Amino acid sequence: GAGVSQSPSNKVTEKGKDVELRCDPISGHTALYWYRQSLGQGLEFLIYFQGNSAPDKSGLPSDRFSAERTGGSVSTLTIQRTQQEDSAVYLCASSLSTSEEKLFFGSGTQLSVL
Amino acid sequence: GESVGLHLPTLSVQEGDNSIINCAYSNSASDYFIWYKQESGKGPQFIIDIRSNMDKRQGQRVTVLLNKTVKHLSLQIAATQPGDSAVYFCAEYQNDMRFGAGTRLTVKP
Repeated sequence: GAGVSQSPSNKVTEKGKDVELRCDPISGHTALYWYRQSLGQGLEFLIYFQGNSAPDKSGLPSDRFSAERTGGSVSTLTIQRTQQEDSAVYLCASSLSTSEEKLFFGSGTQLSVL
Repeated sequence: GESVGLHLPTLSVQEGDNSIINCAYSNSASDYFIWYKQESGKGPQFIIDIRSNMDKRQGQRVTVLLNKTVKHLSLQIAATQPGDSAVYFCAEYQNDMRFGAGTRLTVKP
């Protein structure tokens, strides 16, 4: 596609439910990142996929968070047993290669946990 | 390590003035730096980048300065316009991309 696509754009869920957020990176981009952005704050690194290498999961805040990237393309971020503090915008970004390359961001998924 | 600010620093400038946004990065081994602009409701967008073998790079109305001695990065915007109002993030790359806390720029007409 023309850019990074994220879905849904908005998600409202009840505390304790599981949610899945989807990211379609730019075709051919081997690197994919997930970030979390709380209201009025900066970008918190969550996880990084690079090609077929094991992902860097060092930013995941708890074991309720997990992510997969199937076939080196689409990625899904899953949050189990959601809590109110999980409410934030979840941003996905991709870049062309393993070397230093600028990231292209999606518009994010606004997650609201009631 | 990663830092997430509780409150974004803010900078307010008059339209037409020059803006300087500063960023302190954490990893002396970082070798690539980027400035991003984030408008309300959108994902961050690339503005300009610089590699560690340079200390200055210019784009259209923007200049990035890198001081590796003190691990400091700055973004200069010339003749700031209302459309420049946004949150600006610096990012450093060393194995992966990590972002600073961001600065909110407000341009007064």
